[in-house]
Amino acid sequence: DTGVSQDPRHKITKRGQNVTFRCDPISEHNRLYWYRQTLGQGPEFLTYFQNEAQLEKSRLLSDRFSAERPKGSFSTLEIQRTEQGDSAMYLCASSRETSYPETQYFGPGTRLLVL
Amino acid sequence: GENVEQHPSTLSVQEGDSAVIKCTYSDSASNYFPWYKQELGKRPQLIIDIRSNVGEKKDQRIAVTLNKTAKHFSLHITETQPEDSAVYFCAAGVSGGYQKVTFGTGTKLQVIP
Repeated sequence: DTGVSQDPRHKITKRGQNVTFRCDPISEHNRLYWYRQTLGQGPEFLTYFQNEAQLEKSRLLSDRFSAERPKGSFSTLEIQRTEQGDSAMYLCASSRETSYPETQYFGPGTRLLVL
Repeated sequence: GENVEQHPSTLSVQEGDSAVIKCTYSDSASNYFPWYKQELGKRPQLIIDIRSNVGEKKDQRIAVTLNKTAKHFSLHITETQPEDSAVYFCAAGVSGGYQKVTFGTGTKLQVIP
C-alpha cells in the first residue's frame, strides 16, 4: 500500500501519560498536515509542514502538543500530559506542492482514548 | 477565520433517488471547496472539488455547484446506490501557498435499498 500510513491505529492511555503518533506520507509528497476529528465532527486543522518546516499551527494545538518532521519525510505528533478531552481521531494527510489541483490524501488515523 | 455550516446532518434516500447536501461558508477569500466521503472506520477520501473560478463541476453521478455571491455550495448525487452510504464532509478554504481548509460537520447519508 503506497498511501499515507499512521501508527498506531489505536491507543488507549491513562490521563497524564504522554503519547506519540507517527505518520508516513506518500513518498513524493512534501506537504504534511495533522488534523483532529471528534465524533460527529469534521476534521479540524492542527498543523502543517512543508518539507521539514512547520509553517503553521492552529490555536487548537496547545503547549502540550508538539509535532516534528525532522527529515521532511515521516512526522510525529506528541501529546504530553494527556487529558480526557484529547480523546479523538488524529488524522494525517499529505499532498504534493507541485500537483494541480493539490489533493490531500488522508491516512487511516490514530484513534486515541484517554481514560 | 473560516466557518463552514453543513446541512442536513442526516439524510435518508431510497436507492435510485438523488441526494443533495448544502454548505455555506463565511470567508469571501475562500477559493477551494472539496468534498470528502468517509465510510465508517475509514479515512476521508476526496470525491470532488471545485475552485472559485468555476460554477459547476460534474463527475459521473456526482456534481458540485458553487454560488460565490451567496457563499454556498452543494453536492448532488444522482441515482444513489447503497455503497454511497457514508458521511460526507464539505470544506472551504484557500488553496495557494498551501491548502488550508475548514471542514463542515458532516452529513450522514443512508441509501435504503
